[in-house]
Amino acid sequence: EPEVTQTPSHQVTQMGQEVILRCVPISNHLYFYWYRQILGQKVEFLVSFYNNEISEKSEIFDDQFSVERPDGSNFTLKIRSTKLEDSAMYFCASQTGVWNQPQHFGDGTRLSIL
Amino acid sequence: TQLLEQSPQFLSIQEGENLTVYCNSSSVFSSLQWYRQEPGEGPVLLVTVVTGGEVKKLKRLTFQFGDARKDSSLHITAAQPGDTGLYLCAGVSAGNNRKLIWGLGTSLAVNP
Repeated sequence: EPEVTQTPSHQVTQMGQEVILRCVPISNHLYFYWYRQILGQKVEFLVSFYNNEISEKSEIFDDQFSVERPDGSNFTLKIRSTKLEDSAMYFCASQTGVWNQPQHFGDGTRLSIL
Repeated sequence: TQLLEQSPQFLSIQEGENLTVYCNSSSVFSSLQWYRQEPGEGPVLLVTVVTGGEVKKLKRLTFQFGDARKDSSLHITAAQPGDTGLYLCAGVSAGNNRKLIWGLGTSLAVNP
């Protein structure tokens, strides 16, 4: 069964450094998402992406965050200048274009900011 | 701000017992999904409920969507140790966006 893949599985970065998290969504899916889960807290929506542009973003997704689909297969989340509070699990998800079809998740990237 | 309140947060039961997990909100959702998440992995979809009053069964798991589409429940009959894990509900708000609103999760431990 097709799956969403994320790399790396664990990223350790110094505060202030830039980090890029990578995702390969399911190939025929049209909608793409990033969520994060801080330890012990709810999964939180960050951003959704459709037709090569952001369709919705949360308050968390400030100017330090950006997303890109550079080559038609990868979907990346960049954090420009990481902060300690960015430490979390980051999940990528993809979805077909059909309304109410479920989102399929990758196994996440654990981001640790030192 | 839409919220999904999930309860209980932790549940430890003996093998063979029944249990119910609840997700409640004051908001209407166009659909609600239940996921199971293992440590170090992403959420894996169990079921999607769309219609108010809908009931879906997955072996020993029964999922129900409230008539008003504001709440949902997951009932497990005769729990097995293999049911141990984190169960998450997530709803799609009744609007044009597609983002998921998440509950905090129920950590279930089924003891042999």
